Amino acid sequence: GAVVSQHPSWVICKSGTSVKIECRSLDFQATTMFWYRQFPKQSLMLMATSNEGSKATYEQGVEKDKFLINHASLTLSTLTVTSAHPEDSSFYICSAIGLPGGQETQYFGPGTRLLVL
Amino acid sequence: DQQVKQNSPSLSVQEGRISILNCDYTNSMFDYFLWYKKYPAEGPTFLISISSIKDKNEDGRFTVFLNKSAKHLSLHIVPSQPGDSAVYFCAASVSGDYKLSFGAGTTVTVRA
Repeated sequence: GAVVSQHPSWVICKSGTSVKIECRSLDFQATTMFWYRQFPKQSLMLMATSNEGSKATYEQGVEKDKFLINHASLTLSTLTVTSAHPEDSSFYICSAIGLPGGQETQYFGPGTRLLVL
Repeated sequence: DQQVKQNSPSLSVQEGRISILNCDYTNSMFDYFLWYKKYPAEGPTFLISISSIKDKNEDGRFTVFLNKSAKHLSLHIVPSQPGDSAVYFCAASVSGDYKLSFGAGTTVTVRA
């Protein structure tokens, strides 16, 4: 079946460093991907919509300069958390919209756990 | 502002019995609702959905009920099986838009 992968699955970094998270659609092309964030015991919150070949659309309250999104190809979107701080520690999950089975469906990646020390 | 709420963080049920998961929403613009199932270290997978033009949708052991006037939906799993043990997320959207508003999830444990 359709698979969306994320890399890395977890990362620990020092405060002030930047971290890049990749989201790949493995067997289908995705013109649109979404990035979500989940804090412990809270819901997944949509951060931004990643569109291939154009700028990402950010949800209200999400700093576009802090969370850089690049959707350089139809199978890859990257989220870079710049100058990460402990409050950025969270679970980041992406989803991709595709038609691998003929019907447009949203598929989610397994998530990336980020811990900023 | 949380527009989709799952007020029960966990649910424990005996194998063979019914699991009922509840979800409430506040945004009256939502007209499409989904349930996702998530195992540890995996992404959420789509389970079942319902459009606001319906009040019930059934797929095998899974049935979703929608009460628009109460802005409430529920997921029934019957009979519950050990493999159903997972986190279940309720999500809502405006139809035609893939942007989803999620609840916080309910962890279901099915006891043998």
